[in-house]
Amino acid sequence: SAVISQKPSRDICQRGTSLTIQCQVDSQVTMMFWYRQQPGQSLTLIATANQGSEATYESGFVIDKFPISRPNLTFSTLTVSNMSPEDSSIYLCSVEDLRRGGNQPQHFGDGTRLSIL
Amino acid sequence: GQQLNQSPQSMFIQEGEDVSMNCTSSSIFNTWLWYKQDPGEGPVLLIALYKAGELTSNGRLTAQFGITRKDSFLNISASIPSDVGIYFCAGRGGATNKLIFGTGTLLAVQP
Repeated sequence: SAVISQKPSRDICQRGTSLTIQCQVDSQVTMMFWYRQQPGQSLTLIATANQGSEATYESGFVIDKFPISRPNLTFSTLTVSNMSPEDSSIYLCSVEDLRRGGNQPQHFGDGTRLSIL
Repeated sequence: GQQLNQSPQSMFIQEGEDVSMNCTSSSIFNTWLWYKQDPGEGPVLLIALYKAGELTSNGRLTAQFGITRKDSFLNISASIPSDVGIYFCAGRGGATNKLIFGTGTLLAVQP
């Protein structure tokens, strides 16, 4: 499966600031996703990162708070804007390559552990 | 967001014991995936299931896609200390085809 690298792996930020998380894949993939995992919780999909167009956001997540870029088939960024302590979570990038066939599993990066003071 | 019902929530077992966990959904899925997450890491895919009734093994792990397409189970045989972690089921189906995650099962193995 693809090797997925996320940067930074962790950060501690001040409230009101913004942080951009990068996700780099070692091969081209059709689909890239961003998830949030709050402390002790399961994974919740934030959005699907679409190459060359605006991301598709899930209910409860908006572009102003979580702007996403996907300039090509191997790279995406997620920005967490105007952070508050409630944004303290693990943010995970995942990929899925539909060129291998219609039904493919998603593979995840190691996540970015974000703490907001 | 929507989540699958996964049980048990946690398990504390002795090394060598077998483990079973399951997920149920009110919706029909066409894919069931099982992941394991270690502390400080992202979820790692263990087993992928694509057909109702399918039974698939990966070493000491066995998972099945329920006949009703609304449930799946994961068994771990002869558990070892490195099996410790959080296990998540994930299902996909319906018009959106999004991946929906279970609530997780925390597994602790006493040597």
